[in-house]
Amino acid sequence: GENVEQHPSTLSVQEGDSAVIKCTYSDSASNYFPWYKQELGKGPQLIIDIRSNVGEKKDQRIAVTLNKTAKHFSLHITETQPEDSAVYFCAAKKPYGQNFVFGPGTRLSVLP
Amino acid sequence: EPEVTQTPSHQVTQMGQEVILRCVPISNHLYFYWYRQILGQKVEFLVSFYNNEISEKSEIFDDQFSVERPDGSNFTLKIRSTKLEDSAMYFCASRVAGGLQETQYFGPGTRLLVL
Repeated sequence: GENVEQHPSTLSVQEGDSAVIKCTYSDSASNYFPWYKQELGKGPQLIIDIRSNVGEKKDQRIAVTLNKTAKHFSLHITETQPEDSAVYFCAAKKPYGQNFVFGPGTRLSVLP
Repeated sequence: EPEVTQTPSHQVTQMGQEVILRCVPISNHLYFYWYRQILGQKVEFLVSFYNNEISEKSEIFDDQFSVERPDGSNFTLKIRSTKLEDSAMYFCASRVAGGLQETQYFGPGTRLLVL
């Protein structure tokens, strides 16, 4: 089955710096890759997603890149702010399947 | 903005007791999911539900678990005889129908503690 790895497990950056979180997946059939942000005491909230027919997607300060050949995708947050502090999860999904396979999460701390 | 809601937010139960976790998915959504997250671990898929039946389930979702949509708004997860290892945060999620509509919207979760 699909296995999703995520690095780093924790990341501290200074406010205004960029943060990059990387995920790898094992099943080349996976074709949908969402990123979720989970704040303390809340459920995961989708922040950006990408499909396998696209190499990059950007939404304001957040971007995701996908390398299908290497089976990895990355989340890039620019100009980080303290409110970006949270746990970030990547996930992968195969076509015709229902479930997301999540990575173990990255705890991002943005220091003022 | 529509949200997935879950009740209760916290539940404490004794081992061997039955628990029912409740979810109200977003109203026009047709796919429903349960995930769990053991403390400090990754979010794990339990089950998906569409058209009043289970469409997919993981190996975690054994005979102790069941799901139901008892009316037009609620979606429930029942654990028949809870075990210590069932202690986790349980998330409900939902999404619209449609092949390209992949986004799953998550509720705030129910924290279950089995003593």
